[in-house]
Amino acid sequence: RKEVEQDPGPFNVPEGATVAFNCTYSNSASQSFFWYRQDCRKEPKLLMSVYSSGNEDGRFTAQLNRASQYISLLIRDSKLSDSATYLCVVNGDMRFGAGTRLTVKP
Amino acid sequence: DVKVTQSSRYLVKRTGEKVFLECVQDMDHENMFWYRQDPGLGLRLIYFSYDVKMKEKGDIPEGYSVSREKKERFSLILESASTNQTSMYLCASTQSPEPQHFGDGTRLSIL
Repeated sequence: RKEVEQDPGPFNVPEGATVAFNCTYSNSASQSFFWYRQDCRKEPKLLMSVYSSGNEDGRFTAQLNRASQYISLLIRDSKLSDSATYLCVVNGDMRFGAGTRLTVKP
Repeated sequence: DVKVTQSSRYLVKRTGEKVFLECVQDMDHENMFWYRQDPGLGLRLIYFSYDVKMKEKGDIPEGYSVSREKKERFSLILESASTNQTSMYLCASTQSPEPQHFGDGTRLSIL
């Protein structure tokens, strides 16, 4: 079993849709979790940290479920500019998920 | 802002050559990482380092070595480049438990 697993997608959604990604991890001792965004042919950039109590940043909500060992990212009111690959990382392992590709269409 | 600088954006080398990829960070981070990224495979960890002169193998260290003689610099070395090492190479640094910051990446082609 991979240490960090993501649904690779692709997710194709219309503008304004709500979309959610999950990321499961195997190391129960992991302490820090992050979501990154990567645009085509660019480096990953930090989107948001994931806190135990869940956290929100505008249209983006990140949650952590320790019991089931997964983190999630919810994007509300999708914009065309949200089209990218979203990567989760479990920092205790320094491993990234393979990424979930999102395409938002007009 | 954290700055992670990779020495080259694009690099073309020939099989059998010894290739050096350099990475420098300016935030006095202890931890530095080298990944490669290939379509459909995501980011795979090659080597990482927690301190000067310290290195640990990641998931795919074969064919690579690293050097960390100074805290700010982490070098990836392809001892004898092969075509299957054609890839995007990404360097990152962090001070745990903060998130990693990435360089712009080096697109390496081995002919």
